[in-house]
Parts: sequence; structure tokens; C-alpha cells
Amino acid sequence: DTAVSQTPKYLVTQMGNDKSIKCEQNLGHDTMYWYKQDSKKFLKIMFSYNNKELIINETVPNRFSPKSPDKAHLNLHINSLELGDSAVYFCASSQVGGLGGKLFFGSGTQLSVL
Amino acid sequence: GQQLNQSPQSMFIQEGEDVSMNCTSSSIFNTWLWYKQDPGEGPVLLIALYKAGELTSNGRLTAQFGITRKDSFLNISASIPSDVGIYFCAGPQLPYSGGGADGLTFGKGTHLIIQP
Repeated sequence: DTAVSQTPKYLVTQMGNDKSIKCEQNLGHDTMYWYKQDSKKFLKIMFSYNNKELIINETVPNRFSPKSPDKAHLNLHINSLELGDSAVYFCASSQVGGLGGKLFFGSGTQLSVL
Repeated sequence: GQQLNQSPQSMFIQEGEDVSMNCTSSSIFNTWLWYKQDPGEGPVLLIALYKAGELTSNGRLTAQFGITRKDSFLNISASIPSDVGIYFCAGPQLPYSGGGADGLTFGKGTHLIIQP
């Protein structure tokens, strides 16, 4: 069984559309994250959720909104997509037990905005 | 915010060679982690370090937590084709929120290319 799974794997859409990426983890972790990886492979944290509470919200446009129905799921909604949103988005999870906890990543969603 | 400077950016080596890469931080870290990313996949944890001076191995991989707590090193011995990928160092995201769910900040990666 995949520990952290996200869907879809590929997402191609037009500018201005609204889209969602789903993520689920079966590790029993209590914290989930969204990371964005740009074309230069730089990984940057976007959000983290701990017990349904947003812990970190980096300087991400408010067009991006995380939604967590329960601690095993953290979905990412993106409104009014822009060309610059094209990237690979990774979901991750960890068990909080100290600073710099080990993160487990999904296999990514490659978003292409045309 | 803090920066992780990872070097080299890329390495072209022959199969069987040893590989060394390092990461430096502008801040003191309590934790250093090393990840590997294969094409089309997410990063996978290789080694985690929690103590200054710590030296930890995982098969042919060895990582060290620098004594200044501002750097870390990863060595790969006798490289093989499946070692190809991007290697990332990572440390706690700063500033700490205090709740422990701060996530990780990543270096820009070292691209390892192996020529058979």
C-alpha cells in the first residue's frame, strides 16, 4: 500500500480554471504538508496542517487553499490558475515529535497551466 | 529566512567512483536530513542526523552532522547506476512555531549523473 498518495499524477488545464489535487496518507501521521517544486527542482513549503489546524502558511497567494476533512487527507484547491502556477506539487506527512520531523512524500502532481 | 547552500549543483562521475556533497546553513540546526529524488517521484529519506558530530551510514551512504551545527556532508561509495538522481539536504523550517509541525526547508539539490 502506498503510504502517501496524491491524485492526479498529471493535471493539464487552462488559465483561469479552478482545480483540486487530493492527498491521502495511511501512516497514521498527524501532520500533512504541501510543497511546490519549480522547474529548477527547488522545493518550497506551502502549507502544513496539524489536527485540522493550519500551522504554516508561507507567502502563498490566497488562490491556493488547503482543505483537510480529516487528519488522513489534505487537499489543495487552486482558483483562477495562472501560468506561473505550473510546477510539481508534493504532498507529505509526518508524525510530530520534535523539530525537523521526518517527512514522507507522495509521488507528486505535475500541474501544467496553458 | 534561512538558506541552505548545497554543493555541488551537479556531478558527472564514472560508475564505481565515490561521491561527496555538502550543505551549509546560515542558521544552527538541530536536525539534518538527506533525501533522494528519482525522476517522476517524490523525495525519499536516506539518512537523518540529530546530534552534532554524528556520523551515520545507510549501506553505501554515509552522512555527517557538522560540529558547528551549520553544515552536513553526504558521501556515496562505489557509485552504481541507480544512484542517479537529485540529492537534497534538509533542516527544520524556521522560524519554529513551537508546535513541532514546522516542516522542512530544503537545499537546491545536487544532481548526480553517472556514466557507465
